[in-house]
Amino acid sequence: QQQVKQSPQSLIVQKGGISIINCAYENTAFDYFPWYQQFPGKGPALLIAIRPDVSEKKEGRFTISFNKSAKQFSLHIMDSQPGDSATYFCAAIHTGTASKLTFGTGTRLQVTL
Amino acid sequence: EAGVTQFPSHSVIEKGQTVTLRCDPISGHDNLYWYRRVMGKEIKFLLHFVKESKQDESGMPNNRFLAERTGGTYSTLKVQPAELEDSGVYFCASSPQTRTFYNEQFFGPGTRLTVL
Repeated sequence: QQQVKQSPQSLIVQKGGISIINCAYENTAFDYFPWYQQFPGKGPALLIAIRPDVSEKKEGRFTISFNKSAKQFSLHIMDSQPGDSATYFCAAIHTGTASKLTFGTGTRLQVTL
Repeated sequence: EAGVTQFPSHSVIEKGQTVTLRCDPISGHDNLYWYRRVMGKEIKFLLHFVKESKQDESGMPNNRFLAERTGGTYSTLKVQPAELEDSGVYFCASSPQTRTFYNEQFFGPGTRLTVL
């Protein structure tokens, strides 16, 4: 049973457009929701994260929207750039009892010129 | 500061053989994690060390997998004997042990294991 579901599997966006990746979770014990960005040949790197007591967090062109009642959260990349082309993973963690991250299946983003 | 390093970057072995993956965490990080991504699927947790002790090994698939962390520094993950379904990318991550809400996990580049 997959605890964090992520969509779409792949996404092609034109330069300057908005990229949107969606995730849904099952376990209400999760209390921290990071997004990781992975470039080819590299490991995942923390991009931005949110706690469930806020509905939105913005860092530069990257925004997380969080809907606690729906158990959904999404990553928005504004003004997408070719350098944003990477695989994005949403994740969730219950910081109180376990340190293991539960990941979504990943979204391969390609930003075209 | 050096990041998490993993060796080898790629390994191709035949079914039934043994492979040992190594992870060197960021210096001073007490927490060390192993994860695995099978092609196209999610990155799955395997186990978590705090220093040399196994804190959580609930994600280990079966007893063909053995993880060790000698002296609380580097860690090895041995697969013996390897099966076809063990193919995937094995990631190691480390984090400090601090009293913050969340200790960021820093990932290595992974080891791509192919079992033929």
